[in-house]
Amino acid sequence: NAGVMQNPRHLVRRRGQEARLRCSPVKGHSHVYWYRQLPEEGLKFMVYLQKENIIDESGMPKERFSAEFPKEGPSILRIQQVVRGDSAAYFCASSPFSGAANTIYFGEGSWLTVV
Amino acid sequence: SQQGEEDPQALSIQEGENATMNCSYKTSINNLQWYRQNSGRGLVHLILIRSNEREKHSGRLRVTLDTSKKSSSLLITASRAADTASYFCATDEGNTDKLIFGTGTRLQVFP
Repeated sequence: NAGVMQNPRHLVRRRGQEARLRCSPVKGHSHVYWYRQLPEEGLKFMVYLQKENIIDESGMPKERFSAEFPKEGPSILRIQQVVRGDSAAYFCASSPFSGAANTIYFGEGSWLTVV
Repeated sequence: SQQGEEDPQALSIQEGENATMNCSYKTSINNLQWYRQNSGRGLVHLILIRSNEREKHSGRLRVTLDTSKKSSSLLITASRAADTASYFCATDEGNTDKLIFGTGTRLQVFP
């Protein structure tokens, strides 16, 4: 049973480039969450998606950031025109049910470094 | 918004000692969860306690929840060097669908 798979694990981008982070949830899970973690800090909620729908994007910056979870394939977090402040670890989590009353399962994260 | 605040921010103990970490939150919750994160790794779920529960055990872990004080504690008994990690509490802020994490406690256990 594969857990949440994220790739790439490490990504280096120059300022102004685009970063695409992929997340394959646990098989059968239709709820995906993205979190960002800055060095030495906790996780900050970004976006919650179900298949083909964005449910809550209240934590995602309005500009340059977008997320999708298509009917087929992984969830994608896309950051356009990256800046140094985007350097962080981005974690994806999945759950079989909606609501935070259930355990959500985290991937190992994607570490983005903007140079 | 940040819901949970852990205390202390960092804790260093010797193997065999107990480690206690506290978490305070602001709004009403349905449940509170504790997660562990090793350096450079993802989060591992440790335990979930619901708002109508006061105490829960799992192996060497003991979690308490006091909804009147909006606080929770995580106790790790007989700590081991392998327990060295950051520990986060997380709540379902305002009964929403998302987990809101605290700032974490960095635990260092010396052999």
